[in-house]
Amino acid sequence: EMQLVQSGAEVRKTGDSLKISCEAAGYNFNNYWFGWVRQVPGKGLEWMGIIYPGDSDTRYSPSFAGQVTISVDKSVKTVYLQWSSLKASDAAVYYCARHSNLAAVDDAFELWGQGTVVTVSS
Amino acid sequence: QSALTQPASVSGSPGQSITISCTGTTSDVGNYNLVSWYQQHPGKAPKLILFRGNDRPSGVSNRFSGSKSGNTASLTISGLQGEDDADYYCSSYAGSGISVFGTGTKVTVL
Repeated sequence: EMQLVQSGAEVRKTGDSLKISCEAAGYNFNNYWFGWVRQVPGKGLEWMGIIYPGDSDTRYSPSFAGQVTISVDKSVKTVYLQWSSLKASDAAVYYCARHSNLAAVDDAFELWGQGTVVTVSS
Repeated sequence: QSALTQPASVSGSPGQSITISCTGTTSDVGNYNLVSWYQQHPGKAPKLILFRGNDRPSGVSNRFSGSKSGNTASLTISGLQGEDDADYYCSSYAGSGISVFGTGTKVTVL
């Protein structure tokens, strides 16, 4: 059974770059879509984007396109979320998640990581 | 994509049924039978409880059911229990590989 293990909490300053990770333990990594979800403290869930490890096809919410980069390294079964220049408004918990069904781009997130807290100070 | 609209809060007594609405547009909820629902307890990751409208993942109680009419999807929780006290989010596919979440609903079991 697959598990998603995210990297630990990060504290950065505005303008810093950052890359957080989500390692998948289990099989069939290449054949599921993986995504990222943001949750600002006390607020709701925001769908950021998804990536398909098989061919690195990536889709972004218009709200996050150009603001973050989602990438994958199949050799270590890990997906990444990165920022080139953090803003205070990027402070949030970030969850990685995997779609329910093989190769289904229009699917729900069935498997979730534990979340990574990103703190941004000025 | 704008967030789908949910009521901020819904409450009910143990044993009762409650329904949470999720209103979108003809570009998302109204155009696809691909609404999913998530339950989130404080400090925890969300948990998928319904997908593709009314399908339940293995292990999810059949007290959770879903429906849709036009641009509005609904989640019904029957036989409300204390453990149902949580936040609930809908999500809909919106085309081109993109999905959108709802604004979230706080369910309080009285």
